[in-house]
Amino acid sequence: DSGVTQTPKHLITATGQRVTLRCSPRSGDLSVYWYQQSLDQGLQFLIQYYNGEERAKGNILERFSAQQFPDLHSELNLSSLELGDSALYFCASSVGQVTDTQYFGPGTRLTVL
Amino acid sequence: GQQVMQIPQYQHVQEGEDFTTYCNSSTTLSNIQWYKQRPGGHPVFLIQLVKSGEVKKQKRLTFQFGEAKKNSSLHITATQTTDVGTYFCAGSGGSNYKLTFGKGTLLTVNP
Repeated sequence: DSGVTQTPKHLITATGQRVTLRCSPRSGDLSVYWYQQSLDQGLQFLIQYYNGEERAKGNILERFSAQQFPDLHSELNLSSLELGDSALYFCASSVGQVTDTQYFGPGTRLTVL
Repeated sequence: GQQVMQIPQYQHVQEGEDFTTYCNSSTTLSNIQWYKQRPGGHPVFLIQLVKSGEVKKQKRLTFQFGEAKKNSSLHITATQTTDVGTYFCAGSGGSNYKLTFGKGTLLTVNP
């Protein structure tokens, strides 16, 4: 158990819909990272927040957005969902810097039908 | 942008054989991390290398960081069925706040 929690574990929805994925970092960690993992693309970095502020952006689509709240939990919002958005979404947390060890949550499996 | 390439994509070995996965970056890295993801699981941190030419060992696993800090390798001696999983390298460099993951090497071990 990494100490990072993610909800829900599984999500099945239809194209065009909007979903919210939630992540609670390990106690004491200030950074939260979101990754998308699909079979053909591997582990793709989406976005990082540090203490409530966006720190780095990766290959995040405009239809996706995220935020980190004062209690440091984070939410990833995916809208206008497409079939290709079906993937495993991981949240990870670290103490602060990108060079710190990242602890991954169990992931949310999103299926778009 | 920074790219991290990992080979091979897949490796199937007999239990007891050795295994190596290689990681190459398009740019000089300030550090490289290795993660393991078991089937159905999430990536778990194994180790971080920061110094040029650094070699670290964890039991049967040996990690190396190249002299130019652009490549790295993970070598497993005498594989066991518990070694099954996908091994990812991930690097960051300079002021780049992103940790770029390689696509991983899926290791399967035949008992």
